[in-house]
Amino acid sequence: SQTIHQWPATLVQPVGSPLSLECTVEGTSNPNLYWYRQAAGRGLQLLFYSVGIGQISSEVPQNLSASRPQDRQFILSSKKLLLSDSGFYLCASHRDSGNTIYFGEGSWLTVV
Amino acid sequence: EDQVTQSPEALRLQEGESSSLNCSYTVSGLRGLFWYRQDPGKGPEFLFTLYSAGEEKEKERLKATLTKKESFLHITAPKPEDSATYLCAVQPIYNQGGKLIFGQGTELSVKP
Repeated sequence: SQTIHQWPATLVQPVGSPLSLECTVEGTSNPNLYWYRQAAGRGLQLLFYSVGIGQISSEVPQNLSASRPQDRQFILSSKKLLLSDSGFYLCASHRDSGNTIYFGEGSWLTVV
Repeated sequence: EDQVTQSPEALRLQEGESSSLNCSYTVSGLRGLFWYRQDPGKGPEFLFTLYSAGEEKEKERLKATLTKKESFLHITAPKPEDSATYLCAVQPIYNQGGKLIFGQGTELSVKP
């Protein structure tokens, strides 16, 4: 099965500072990769997905961006964080063969 | 509009007291329905995928069933370690594979 690594696990950032969250996947190749955000007490909201290197689709307009520089690496970024960017960010991986979607352990972001 | 509704929002059980969690969904075409378990501060852990009405899957004390409008997660003789939030998500047939629509979750607490 796949293993998804996310880091950092926790971070506290001031408003207006930049952000970089990283996700790497082991145990598969050519996965489709996803960034979800989970606000406290709420369900998961899809932010971005990628079907290949350099291919990014955005689901919601926002202050964040995503990049996929390598097949099994997915990065979530921001140039200037807002208070509303606080939340629990989850990276997910999917392959059509097997049709199972795995999640990483998540990154907690608090913007102060 | 595609949507997923889970009930109840929270459920408290005594150890050994069996019960069911509900996931009602509206989707134009269903490719799959997923159940995940999420512990506090962790990423969702995959439990089951169901594909067609009448399908059932079991894992230890958990059994998931699917109809054309809803899914149930039955918990038989639960133990305190079953305490977690259980998430239901649908995978629309027209969506790129890992683009799931999540419910808000049911927070299960099992007391000894």
